[in-house]
This record gives sequence, C-alpha cells and structure tokens, in this order.
Amino acid sequence: DGGITQSPKYLFRKEGQNVTLSCEQNLNHDAMYWYRQDPGQGLRLIYYSQIVNDFQKGDIAEGYSVSREKKESFPLTVTSAQKNPTAFYLCASSSDSYSGNTIYFGEGSWLTVV
Amino acid sequence: GEDVEQSLFLSVREGDSSVINCTYTDSSSTYLYWYKQEPGAGLQLLTYIFSNMDMKQDQRLTVLLNKKDKHLSLRIADTQTGDSAIYFCAEIHGSSNTGKLIFGQGTTLQVKP
Repeated sequence: DGGITQSPKYLFRKEGQNVTLSCEQNLNHDAMYWYRQDPGQGLRLIYYSQIVNDFQKGDIAEGYSVSREKKESFPLTVTSAQKNPTAFYLCASSSDSYSGNTIYFGEGSWLTVV
Repeated sequence: GEDVEQSLFLSVREGDSSVINCTYTDSSSTYLYWYKQEPGAGLQLLTYIFSNMDMKQDQRLTVLLNKKDKHLSLRIADTQTGDSAIYFCAEIHGSSNTGKLIFGQGTTLQVKP
C-alpha cells in the first residue's frame, strides 16, 4: 500500500542526546515536511524539502536538522540544542510544493524527554 | 500576517448535525482544508475547497466558504460517535510555493450517545 511511514512510534530521549525520527514515503512525492504538534495547538512547520538534496527551514527550525539524500526519505534529528523537544512529530508529503496539491500525513512519532 | 482561528471545543448528540467554524486572515488563500485527527494518530484529509467555490458537498460533509468574511465551516450531518476527533482547518495561500499549510488550533468534537 502507498503511504507515509514514520518510526519509531514512541521514542524517549535523555537530556543531551540527539535522536533521529524516520520518515519514508512510497508515493513518489517530491515534497516532504516535518511538523511539530503540542497539546491544544495546531501544527507548526519545522523543515520542508521541495526536492532531493534541498531543504529549507520552517517556522521553528532551531534545534532540529534534516537531510534529503533520497526522494523517499526525510529523517529529522532532534538535537540537544532543542530545549523543549517533548511533542508529537508529524511527517507529510505532497506531489509538489505548489498550491493545489494535497498534503498527506504519516501516523506521527511521540518524543518524550526523560 | 497569516492566522487561522478555530473554537476549541464542540459537543453534540449522536444524530445531530455538527458545525465547526474557522476564520482566516490571508485573503490570497487558494485552497482551504479540513483534516481529522483521532487520538494519537496522524492527520487524515477530509476535504478541501478551492477559493473560487462557495460550497462543496461530499456525502455527510458540507464545506461552506465565505470569502468576503474569510470564514470557512464544516458541517457533518447525522454525527456519529466515530466522528469524535480533533478537526483542523488549514489554508495554503496563493503566494506560497512551499506547500506550507497554516493550521488552526483544532476543534475537539465530542459526540454524546
């Protein structure tokens, strides 16, 4: 089945550690996105990538890093510089980044700092 | 700037209609979306409407767009307990080539039996 797969579903991070969230899509989509969701709030854009080997910062990129070496993969690293990383992280993709193309979401990953 | 506002909570009885409202500020919005999120899950696209339309109907869902007032609503007919979820309104505006969606805070719909 075509779709977006995020892993792991649940992840615990110790203070000072970097962790990486995986996002894979088999929809042949060019554009991919990472959003963060906090309770009672909408989604906020962390990073996005319109094409392989290219990505741009979203609204809350500080403390995060990404790579886009393959079309189907867009991993997100939450670094130790992110002071409040506990949140629900959602990956999304669309066939391109222009208006009119719907964006599809993965099932999300919960990150908790312990 | 870009802003999308929604009321946070709506409670209805099973079988009634639900109406979830959303206002936005960006007059250049081209597409507006409704997403559904069940607990602990990702977002599911319910429907979307292009800005040159006033209404779109899809089975139990009716989307109304008042572009003059920048107001979007989602009506769910014959609401069922399975409709209980958080509903997000989102917009993507015409000047954007990033695919960036601006989301509201989400409306929690509670359906009582």
